[in-house]
Amino acid sequence: EIVMTQSPATVSVSPGERATLSCRASQSVSSKLAWYQQKPGQAPRLLIYGASTRATGIPARFSGSGSGTEFTLTISNLQSEDFAVYYCQQYNKWPQWTFGQGTKVEIK
Amino acid sequence: QLQLQESGPGLEKPSETLSLTCTVSGGSIYNVNYYWAWIRQPPGKGPEWIGSIYHTGSTYYNPSLKSRVTISVDTSKNQFSLNLSSVTATDTAVYYCATQWYDTEVFDIWGQGTMVTVSS
Repeated sequence: EIVMTQSPATVSVSPGERATLSCRASQSVSSKLAWYQQKPGQAPRLLIYGASTRATGIPARFSGSGSGTEFTLTISNLQSEDFAVYYCQQYNKWPQWTFGQGTKVEIK
Repeated sequence: QLQLQESGPGLEKPSETLSLTCTVSGGSIYNVNYYWAWIRQPPGKGPEWIGSIYHTGSTYYNPSLKSRVTISVDTSKNQFSLNLSSVTATDTAVYYCATQWYDTEVFDIWGQGTMVTVSS
């Protein structure tokens, strides 16, 4: 099983600032990495796939980068609706898709 | 607009079988672009993929749950279902059904989720 480790567990950011979230895979997943956003009481929502491709309707302030074992999700100009928990998911090892434990973005 | 809705009991006793159904609306379960997936999320933890099924009936299960999981599809009702046997308290979670892209295998459209508690 590929273990996905996210850091930090919580990041405190002021509205309008930038948040940088990290995701590390226990072995290479190439660029087969997705990011999801989850708000309280809601299902996760797909943000990014292929490490850097935004899903339909996702604002440009969300950007993803990385390959292999190290990945980053950057949220620029944080809006109030962006405060949530973010999960990474690898889909390189078929069919053993795994998620990280999440990073919470909270208001500073 | 494709929508998914989970249904089933919210409480199961230990050792029993958890059974959930996902109803697909706004599209066909024959859609060749999707797998149909079950994912669960214990309180305060990250999601865990349980298994996926294609409209042909081909199934793929998480190895850690494989011995207890059965996913099936009912094309006549545009539904797919999850059975998880011999449940324990560690199976307490919000259970989601979701679409999974056939080519990239990411989870695109999710149901709202249903909380299942395992307790005597």
